[in-house]
Amino acid sequence: AQSVAQPEDQVNVAEGNPLTVKCTYSVSGNPYLFWYVQYPNRGLQFLLKYITGDNLVKGSYGFEAEFNKSQTSFHLKKPSALVSDSALYFCAVRPLSGYSTLTFGKGTMLLVSP
Amino acid sequence: DTAVSQTPKYLVTQMGNDKSIKCEQNLGHDTMYWYKQDSKKFLKIMFSYNNKELIINETVPNRFSPKSPDKAHLNLHINSLELGDSAVYFCASQGRGNANTGELFFGEGSRLTVL
Repeated sequence: AQSVAQPEDQVNVAEGNPLTVKCTYSVSGNPYLFWYVQYPNRGLQFLLKYITGDNLVKGSYGFEAEFNKSQTSFHLKKPSALVSDSALYFCAVRPLSGYSTLTFGKGTMLLVSP
Repeated sequence: DTAVSQTPKYLVTQMGNDKSIKCEQNLGHDTMYWYKQDSKKFLKIMFSYNNKELIINETVPNRFSPKSPDKAHLNLHINSLELGDSAVYFCASQGRGNANTGELFFGEGSRLTVL
């Protein structure tokens, strides 16, 4: 069975500082990995995904994520945080082969202070 | 144009009632989902339909019955509502060519409160 761990319930960052939201996963075989963002009272929005290729994936709103196979991690990063980045972030995984639904982590709340 | 639209956005009802939530997507996708997000924001898949056929039915009580009249619509009917059904229900869709690699497109959610 596949699983996703987001070890931090909340990450606090000052505006302008770099941010990292952590994600580790467990899946049979190679993974497809995703990050989604949820603003208050809104649905989830796709940020970025890793399928194959370059381990550093760039996505929407200046976010990027680094795939690390040996550490089974897919941390979300941004060089300079904005107050408007404050939201709930979900990491998700599904295996490369076969059909399977997306498994989401429990979410990490990112709070960016002015 | 809203890609995935759900109605109603808010629903407050009494225990024991029956209610429905509707979902429509105008993306031409073949696969649609229902997810439940509880008060702790945890997301759990409930159902998945591909081209009107049920392909995933997670451990969900029989009181929940999805219906897909066509591949653009996936409705959720809930019988005999219980307090524990209070949650935000999200509809999502996914394209055929991206069945395993593509992102999900989510609706804005339907917040169900059972009193």
